[in-house]
Amino acid sequence: EDQVTQSPEALRLQEGESSSLNCSYTVSGLRGLFWYRQDPGKGPEFLFTLYSAGEEKEKERLKATLTKKESFLHITAPKPEDSATYLCAVQVYAGGTSYGKLTFGQGTILTVHP
Amino acid sequence: DAGVIQSPRHEVTEMGQEVTLRCKPISGHDYLFWYRQTMMRGLELLIYFNNNVPIDDSGMPEDRFSAKMPNASFSTLKIQPSEPRDSAVYFCASRLTGRYGYTFGSGTRLTVV
Repeated sequence: EDQVTQSPEALRLQEGESSSLNCSYTVSGLRGLFWYRQDPGKGPEFLFTLYSAGEEKEKERLKATLTKKESFLHITAPKPEDSATYLCAVQVYAGGTSYGKLTFGQGTILTVHP
Repeated sequence: DAGVIQSPRHEVTEMGQEVTLRCKPISGHDYLFWYRQTMMRGLELLIYFNNNVPIDDSGMPEDRFSAKMPNASFSTLKIQPSEPRDSAVYFCASRLTGRYGYTFGSGTRLTVV
């Protein structure tokens, strides 16, 4: 069974204090690893997709990296507006088609204090 | 692009009543997903469609849940009869073959009392 585990469950940072969120996964054939941001009362908002070990992607203060067993979301010099829940999800090969479901982790609640 | 549109945003109903949640995917998207989010279990896939055909409904918790997609621009998730443990936020998402980002709607917060 595909498993996705995120840590920590919650993270409090001071503005400007860089840190990383972790997403470890156990799947039978990774097609893609996704990062989403979710604000209270809203649906998840797509950030990145990573496809192979060693791949990195960046967007503003966020950088996502991928290894064969885990992914990291690095937040550099965060601002209060980066406060949100960050979700990672995996998509695996599913029979004749790879366009399957996303399996989500429980998320990391990030709070950035001014 | 209006994004994925869900209605209603909030629904409060009494136990035993029928509840229908609605979703309009992004025009041209050929995949549609229904997810449920709770504090205990996080985001769980209930069912997904490809070109209006149900592909995987293994996440539908019980026979009380049913989903339909009569055309490419509309889907419903129905719960009959509803129970308090069905209280959650229900999300609809859509995507286009060849594009890997899934776009989520704003969700329907369901409370069954």
